[in-house]
Amino acid sequence: DVKVTQSSRYLVKRTGEKVFLECVQDMDHENMFWYRQDPGLGLRLIYFSYDVKMKEKGDIPEGYSVSREKKERFSLILESASTNQTSMYLCASKDISRGRGYTFGSGTRLTVV
Amino acid sequence: DQQVKQNSPSLSVQEGRISILNCDYTNSMFDYFLWYKKYPAEGPTFLISISSIKDKNEDGRFTVFLNKSAKHLSLHIVPSQPGDSAVYFCAARGGADGLTFGKGTHLIIQP
Repeated sequence: DVKVTQSSRYLVKRTGEKVFLECVQDMDHENMFWYRQDPGLGLRLIYFSYDVKMKEKGDIPEGYSVSREKKERFSLILESASTNQTSMYLCASKDISRGRGYTFGSGTRLTVV
Repeated sequence: DQQVKQNSPSLSVQEGRISILNCDYTNSMFDYFLWYKKYPAEGPTFLISISSIKDKNEDGRFTVFLNKSAKHLSLHIVPSQPGDSAVYFCAARGGADGLTFGKGTHLIIQP
């Protein structure tokens, strides 16, 4: 089974801090994604990547950047954290075998104070 | 502009009965639809999917129906069990590779 691992389950950061959220997948998938989940808003796509060093903006990229230096790792960066970035962040890797779509990590609950 | 809509934020169903979760979409370019289930403090897990060339897909207790002309899909769970209590997200794929998700429906199975 594909495994998508997010390094932190819970994080608390201060306003203005630079925050790194790490995601690693173990199945050599080209495509990786970062979403955030907020109550009443569902899952919204922040950034995605087709391959190493490639990135594409999703629906809500403002305030975020990403890094994909190695195929298995996709990092989400909050350059200067703000309270409106308090959210559940979900990383996903593309797995189209048998129609299973995307495999998600367990999520990182980020609180910015 | 919300392209995938789940108009019921929550749904309560008695154990053993059928749960029907609905989803509407507006983008006719979507070619693949998925349902995900999510428990609190966990990532979404894939449940079932359907290609736009089909109108039904079944997997055990779960069946997804697609009505392309109405741009509507639904997930049926029969019989509903307590472990089915979760938030269910409808998602659609088309264009760029990311999925577009609905806002989710919180399903509550009552004993």
